[in-house]
Amino acid sequence: NAGVTQTPKFQVLKTGQSMTLQCAQDMNHEYMSWYRQDPGMGLRLIHYSVGAGITDQGEVPNGYNVSRSTTEDFPLRLLSAAPSQTSVYFCASNRQGRNTGELFFGEGSRLTVL
Amino acid sequence: RKEVEQDPGPFNVPEGATVAFNCTYSNSASQSFFWYRQDCRKEPKLLMSVYSSGNEDGRFTAQLNRASQYISLLIRDSKLSDSATYLCVVFNQAGTALIFGKGTTLSVSS
Repeated sequence: NAGVTQTPKFQVLKTGQSMTLQCAQDMNHEYMSWYRQDPGMGLRLIHYSVGAGITDQGEVPNGYNVSRSTTEDFPLRLLSAAPSQTSVYFCASNRQGRNTGELFFGEGSRLTVL
Repeated sequence: RKEVEQDPGPFNVPEGATVAFNCTYSNSASQSFFWYRQDCRKEPKLLMSVYSSGNEDGRFTAQLNRASQYISLLIRDSKLSDSATYLCVVFNQAGTALIFGKGTTLSVSS
């Protein structure tokens, strides 16, 4: 059972470069989300999606784009990387519904922007 | 005010101690609350949901106080394996995404 798969696990970028963090889930979950985690900051919501074709901004969306063309995939794009985007990124999915609070996370992607 | 705020920690306790974490939330309309556990450099995992009547799972007890808008997690008889960061989580106002607190770090020593 794959669950939520994130790639790459590690990435080093130079300022101004672009890249896409991939996220795929095989549980047919409606909801998917991206978080970033910085020391002492907990997880902060970047963008989320409640279904294919629907995305919305979270707490810290600036500098990131997302799309949801299929139920399975939810890529996160950095158009012009900045050192402030050095972080650990987690993708997560969950079933629809207010009481379905169990998020299934990927293993994280550690991004360093020089 | 941030949507979710937690005790900053860290909490350093000996084995066998009882420790409690508190969390406050700003959205009075929030219906669902959760505690997650995160081990160092790992993804967070659901520890337990928090129900209006309070709930217990072994050594862990979660309680909700709607009037004061806070959630608590009590850990009894702490074990070394309880050392982790505990994250308080609530749904956003639209009920479509989960918002995490900054987390409270617990270190249990022998």
